Amino acid sequence: GENVEQHPSTLSVQEGDSAVIKCTYSDSASNYFPWYKQELGKRPQLIIDIRSNVGEKKDQRIAVTLNKTAKHFSLHITETQPEDSAVYFCAASQGNTPLVFGKGTRLSVIA
Amino acid sequence: GAVVSQHPSWVICKSGTSVKIECRSLDFQATTMFWYRQFPKQSLMLMATSNEGSKATYEQGVEKDKFLINHASLTLSTLTVTSAHPEDSSFYICSADSADEQFFGPGTRLTVL
Repeated sequence: GENVEQHPSTLSVQEGDSAVIKCTYSDSASNYFPWYKQELGKRPQLIIDIRSNVGEKKDQRIAVTLNKTAKHFSLHITETQPEDSAVYFCAASQGNTPLVFGKGTRLSVIA
Repeated sequence: GAVVSQHPSWVICKSGTSVKIECRSLDFQATTMFWYRQFPKQSLMLMATSNEGSKATYEQGVEKDKFLINHASLTLSTLTVTSAHPEDSSFYICSADSADEQFFGPGTRLTVL
């Protein structure tokens, strides 16, 4: 089955700096790669996703890149703000199959 | 986007009792719903896939007789934690699939005393 590895587990950045979180996956059949932001005690919120027919996707300060050959994808947050502080999860699936989550990255943005 | 609700949002129960959690898709029909469990400071772990009108598919290590899943309609799936014990205390989250995107419920925090 699919296995998703996520790094780093914790990340601290100064406000205004960029943050990068990386994930690798094992199943070459996976074709859907979402990123979720989860605040304490709340549900995961989809912040951006990418499908295997695209190499990069951007939405304002957030971007995701996908390298299908190497089976890894990354989340990039630019101009970080304190409200970006949360736990971020990557996931992988074949679209309509269950999501397999990475272990999460706790991002702290220091003002 | 599609809306998924969960009820209750939190529950405290005594050890040995059973607890039912409901997951509803409010504005779309979901033939498939997923149940996840999240322990503190950990990731979401898939427990089972709930299929409308058929038996749920459980992940390895999840006891189907302890975590009963019923997906009786296209908008409702229920998870019943039977004979709950303190180690079952966790955050239970459901999700429903719509157009190849999963939408999460708000979660249910279960505390077993």
